[in-house]
Amino acid sequence: EAQVTQNPRYLITVTGKKLTVTCSQNMNHEYMSWYRQDPGLGLRQIYYSMNVEVTDKGDVPEGYKVSRKEKRNFPLILESPSPNQTSLYFCASSMGPEVTKETQYFGPGTRLLVL
Amino acid sequence: AQSVTQLGSHVSVSEGALVLLRCNYSSSVPPYLFWYVQYPNQGLQLLLKYTSAATLVKGINGFEAEFKKSETSFHLTKPSAHMSDAAEYFCAVSRRWSFGNEKLTFGTGTRLTIIP
Repeated sequence: EAQVTQNPRYLITVTGKKLTVTCSQNMNHEYMSWYRQDPGLGLRQIYYSMNVEVTDKGDVPEGYKVSRKEKRNFPLILESPSPNQTSLYFCASSMGPEVTKETQYFGPGTRLLVL
Repeated sequence: AQSVTQLGSHVSVSEGALVLLRCNYSSSVPPYLFWYVQYPNQGLQLLLKYTSAATLVKGINGFEAEFKKSETSFHLTKPSAHMSDAAEYFCAVSRRWSFGNEKLTFGTGTRLTIIP
């Protein structure tokens, strides 16, 4: 089954404790991205990756890091989480970045609470 | 800059009634527009998209949307609501980020509740 998986699905942590949210897709997609969803703000892109070892900032990259060492995986790293990073996070993937041509597939989401 | 505005953060309709979710766009160039649906505890799923072909776009699960340039609107409709339609719906517009790269700008979402 074609899918995007994220782990963990729920996470409670404390300020400053480094964490990683994993994202994996089994569709051989080149393009992957991370979004955060906040009430009243919709989804905003954090980082994206065009292919292995090619990543770039989205609209709200501050406080986040990413890496793309393998095509299927695109982890999101919070080196020093703060309460304003409490949010619902989605990973997405598609064959290419042109959303008019390629459908984005979203993971189920990771709900993060930073105390 | 391209943007979308969704009117009404919460909409309730009776089962069997017409569903109408509103989305207006702002764009300096011909826009590409999308509707996504998010069911509880799931990721977003593409419902339909407008890419300058037919102005009336049909999507999955009986939904459709009509692009109206004169009204700068792309409202989502379904003739008869079903309980399974209860979800959050997002309108989005694509924007060119760099050569060969497009990004989505999402609206703030409309939560649809179906009344039995």
